[in-house]
Amino acid sequence: SQQGEEDPQALSIQEGENATMNCSYKTSINNLQWYRQNSGRGLVHLILIRSNEREKHSGRLRVTLDTSKKSSSLLITASRAADTASYFCATDVGTGANNLFFGTGTRLTVIP
Amino acid sequence: DTGVSQDPRHKITKRGQNVTFRCDPISEHNRLYWYRQTLGQGPEFLTYFQNEAQLEKSRLLSDRFSAERPKGSFSTLEIQRTEQGDSAMYLCASSFRGAVNTEAFFGQGTRLTVV
Repeated sequence: SQQGEEDPQALSIQEGENATMNCSYKTSINNLQWYRQNSGRGLVHLILIRSNEREKHSGRLRVTLDTSKKSSSLLITASRAADTASYFCATDVGTGANNLFFGTGTRLTVIP
Repeated sequence: DTGVSQDPRHKITKRGQNVTFRCDPISEHNRLYWYRQTLGQGPEFLTYFQNEAQLEKSRLLSDRFSAERPKGSFSTLEIQRTEQGDSAMYLCASSFRGAVNTEAFFGQGTRLTVV
């Protein structure tokens, strides 16, 4: 079974609005990563947050991590039509397991 | 282009045929991963290599699937006696696992359709 679960499954907003996606996971992690995937394409890495970090920024992206609640959120500010894609969180559980566990994704649609 | 490349991008095959996919990772990356993704789902881990050693395989990887990374550089994923349920996007990713964890970079994927 997959480690992460994104919420909501689908999100539709107007261009210029902010979009917030949430991710919950089940076990302790080494780090958590967010990826974007355009339809039928590969995944593009957006941001990595380590387990000892609580917040990270990259351009219009803001990621938070709450290890006590085993959850993370991705905020995209001032959304653009080009942000339309699926967004996945992936957990790296570190030593003993050496792969990324992905959730089912949030499908974001930004309406121009 | 120094990203992860996969070949072919699309493959249509008849049930029962064998198929082989290739992945060329980023050159300095020591880890290489294979994932499978079906429509509406997130990628599911299949296997990974540290250099040329295959260190982990998912139970999703049946005995019809085999992966190699002979020289620690490119990798191949072969599916024998394909079934319709094998239809999916097969994604390859690479990363450098050193003292500090780094992100995985994905290729564009190979979309397999078994008819």
